[in-house]
Amino acid sequence: NAGVTQTPKFRVLKTGQSMTLLCAQDMNHEYMYWYRQDPGMGLRLIHYSVGEGTTAKGEVPDGYNVSRLKKQNFLLGLESAAPSQTSVYFCASSRQGAPSYEQYFGPGTRLTVT
Amino acid sequence: GESVGLHLPTLSVQEGDNSIINCAYSNSASDYFIWYKQESGKGPQFIIDIRSNMDKRQGQRVTVLLNKTVKHLSLQIAATQPGDSAVYFCAEIYFGNEKLTFGTGTRLTIIP
Repeated sequence: NAGVTQTPKFRVLKTGQSMTLLCAQDMNHEYMYWYRQDPGMGLRLIHYSVGEGTTAKGEVPDGYNVSRLKKQNFLLGLESAAPSQTSVYFCASSRQGAPSYEQYFGPGTRLTVT
Repeated sequence: GESVGLHLPTLSVQEGDNSIINCAYSNSASDYFIWYKQESGKGPQFIIDIRSNMDKRQGQRVTVLLNKTVKHLSLQIAATQPGDSAVYFCAEIYFGNEKLTFGTGTRLTIIP
């Protein structure tokens, strides 16, 4: 099993450009998540999904959109990138929410917006 | 709002010694706690978890202690090895909203 994979690993965008980050998991997990990680701060939840075709807002959803058309994929979109979105983005998946919360994380995507 | 924090941002430990990483949480209603390890350039990796109705749980070389009276969580790593060098995060979950709240992390460095 590859687990959770993310593409791309690195990306540099100019302000106003758009891009999509792809997350894929091969563990048949129901739940998937997108986090951002900034220096000196813990992981913050952007959006999450509790199953195919569902999405929900997390702690910091503004400026991002997501889609879960297939159970194994969770896409994170930036429609008009801003320097404040420079961060490392992590995708995660889990079998379910309560009562088991073990989340499996991907390797991350480092995004720089200039 | 609620927060999860760590007492020390960095910790250096001699190889072979035991290490203790501490975490304070503020939501007394939290039901479940997790420790994650994040190595440089990688995503967080689950280490061990504990439910709020427990005060201790042991894994392989790791032990998590929960003190609900003072809202304190700790991760003990026995006989530390160079591979234990990483950033360690605690996270809490309140089943009412099912979302993980992460602390900012403690960087553990093992000195050879």
